Amino acid sequence: AQKVTQAQTEISVVEKEDVTLDCVYETRDTTYYLFWYKQPPSGELVFLIRRNSFDEQNEISGRYSWNFQKSTSSFNFTITASQVVDSAVYFCALRGNRDDKIIFGKGTRLHILP
Amino acid sequence: DGGITQSPKYLFRKEGQNVTLSCEQNLNHDAMYWYRQDPGQGLRLIYYSQIVNDFQKGDIAEGYSVSREKKESFPLTVTSAQKNPTAFYLCASSASGTGVTDTQYFGPGTRLTVL
Repeated sequence: AQKVTQAQTEISVVEKEDVTLDCVYETRDTTYYLFWYKQPPSGELVFLIRRNSFDEQNEISGRYSWNFQKSTSSFNFTITASQVVDSAVYFCALRGNRDDKIIFGKGTRLHILP
Repeated sequence: DGGITQSPKYLFRKEGQNVTLSCEQNLNHDAMYWYRQDPGQGLRLIYYSQIVNDFQKGDIAEGYSVSREKKESFPLTVTSAQKNPTAFYLCASSASGTGVTDTQYFGPGTRLTVL
């Protein structure tokens, strides 16, 4: 069975601090994709990144970076120099090559305090 | 602008009534999905469709029905058989639905409240 665990239910940090959101996944598929989505207070899920299981290079996009480690089945997301606009719920998700569905974690609610 | 629209944004329903949530996309995507989100929970898949005139049940299909008569439209009906329909409903679409690389893109959601 496939599973995504986001152990941090809620995190609060002060603006400009760095923060890392954890994501641990389980799958028996050798080919799979991992995703991160952001859900601001408006409700719409915004796609942030997709990573395939064969590419373990870290990815950086502005203040956002992702660390994918197959050895620990983790795909963690770091926001550097956080801003109030980063306040949202963040979801990690997994899709294997034998399933038509994406499996979502329960999300981490991030509060950036001014 | 390409995207996914859902209407209405807020919907109120009396117990025992059926209600239909609209989802339209102009991304020319083949696949469309409906999710339900409850407070503090992740997304749970209700129904999905990979091609016109075909759809499959997701993990929580009971009390819901869908149709896919047009590529761009995938309406969801919440029937009176759904015991606890108050939730936030999200529609999504993806290019093909069958590839592991497929990324789903989401609409703004409809918040349904049963009075």
